Amino acid sequence: AQSVSQHNHHVILSEAASLELGCNYSYGGTVNLFWYVQYPGQHLQLLLKYFSGDPLVKGIKGFEAEFIKSKFSFNLRKPSVQWSDTAEYFCAVNIRNTDKLIFGTGTRLQVFP
Amino acid sequence: DAGVTQSPTHLIKTRGQQVTLRCSPKSGHDTVSWYQQALGQGPQFIFQYYEEEERQRGNFPDRFSGHQFPNYSSELNVNALLLGDSALYLCASSLVSTEAFFGQGTRLTVV
Repeated sequence: AQSVSQHNHHVILSEAASLELGCNYSYGGTVNLFWYVQYPGQHLQLLLKYFSGDPLVKGIKGFEAEFIKSKFSFNLRKPSVQWSDTAEYFCAVNIRNTDKLIFGTGTRLQVFP
Repeated sequence: DAGVTQSPTHLIKTRGQQVTLRCSPKSGHDTVSWYQQALGQGPQFIFQYYEEEERQRGNFPDRFSGHQFPNYSSELNVNALLLGDSALYLCASSLVSTEAFFGQGTRLTVV
């Protein structure tokens, strides 16, 4: 069965530190890849997505992610985090043409001033 | 432009009861998906509706059923509630093969 693994369950950083959250998926075929963010008390919002083309994708609020097909990975990065980035981050994949999203268990990010 | 709206926001039910959750998709969207998010977990796909038909289904028992109306809004019904059904239920809308937009969710507590 397809699955998504997020290896960092809880990350604590100081403001201005760099961030990298890992995401790996298990499926050998063509997938679409997503990172969603859930700020405290808010709904899931799309940070960025990869459908095809340039494997380095840029999203909102300075986030970017790189799709490495050979490693089945889609890691999220931000060079300098802010206190307002405190949230839960979810990696998700869907198999092309199915629209069913498979989510990882999420990474809770806490940023301290 | 309203996003995805869900009602109610919170709900408390007793074991064995039945519950109906509602979702209005983002304007222009024709596909509605439902997810269950248990505490500390990522959302789990329940099913998806398109053109008033269930198009895909996840690994959920038949106690979970749904409906999509001609205006694309949708309902999720859960029968014979169990304590383990306590979770945040998320509705997402999309156009076919595009990214999903999520609502705030309905927090269901079964006691």
